[in-house]
Amino acid sequence: AQSVSQHNHHVILSEAASLELGCNYSYGGTVNLFWYVQYPGQHLQLLLKYFSGDPLVKGIKGFEAEFIKSKFSFNLRKPSVQWSDTAEYFCAADRGSTLGRLYFGRGTQLTVWP
Amino acid sequence: GAGVSQSPSNKVTEKGKDVELRCDPISGHTALYWYRQSLGQGLEFLIYFQGNSAPDKSGLPSDRFSAERTGGSVSTLTIQRTQQEDSAVYLCASSLVQGGTGELFFGEGSRLTVL
Repeated sequence: AQSVSQHNHHVILSEAASLELGCNYSYGGTVNLFWYVQYPGQHLQLLLKYFSGDPLVKGIKGFEAEFIKSKFSFNLRKPSVQWSDTAEYFCAADRGSTLGRLYFGRGTQLTVWP
Repeated sequence: GAGVSQSPSNKVTEKGKDVELRCDPISGHTALYWYRQSLGQGLEFLIYFQGNSAPDKSGLPSDRFSAERTGGSVSTLTIQRTQQEDSAVYLCASSLVQGGTGELFFGEGSRLTVL
């Protein structure tokens, strides 16, 4: 069965530290990959997505993610975090087919101390 | 409004009662999803509607859960004989893309508490 794994449940950083959140998926075929973010008190929103092409994708607020097919990974990165990045981050994947079902990881809570 | 609208935002009910949660997707979006978000459990897929196709109900946890989408727009998620383990935030999302998955736009969620 398709699954998405996020390695860290809670990450705590100081401002200006670098961030990398791990994400692995289990499906071996064509896959679309996403990172969603949920800021405190707000609804989930798309941070970035990968459908095809350049495996390094850039999203909003300085975030980027790299698709490494051989590792089934789509890790999220940011070189220097800010206090306002405190949020919960969800990795998601689908099969890139007509099924449309999006599988989410369990989420990683990021806390950034000023 | 322009976004996905869910109601009620909060619902407290007694064990054994039925509840209905409503979702108004973004106009023109053909795909509609229901997810459940429990503390520390991430997002659990419940059901997916795509246009006039038969819905993907594979995520519904029991036969107490059902959902319908009328006229390709508004959707209602019904939980019968609620149990305490049904307490969670129920999220609705809609998407424009037919086939495959485009960006999902989420509502604020309906927080259900079963006493």
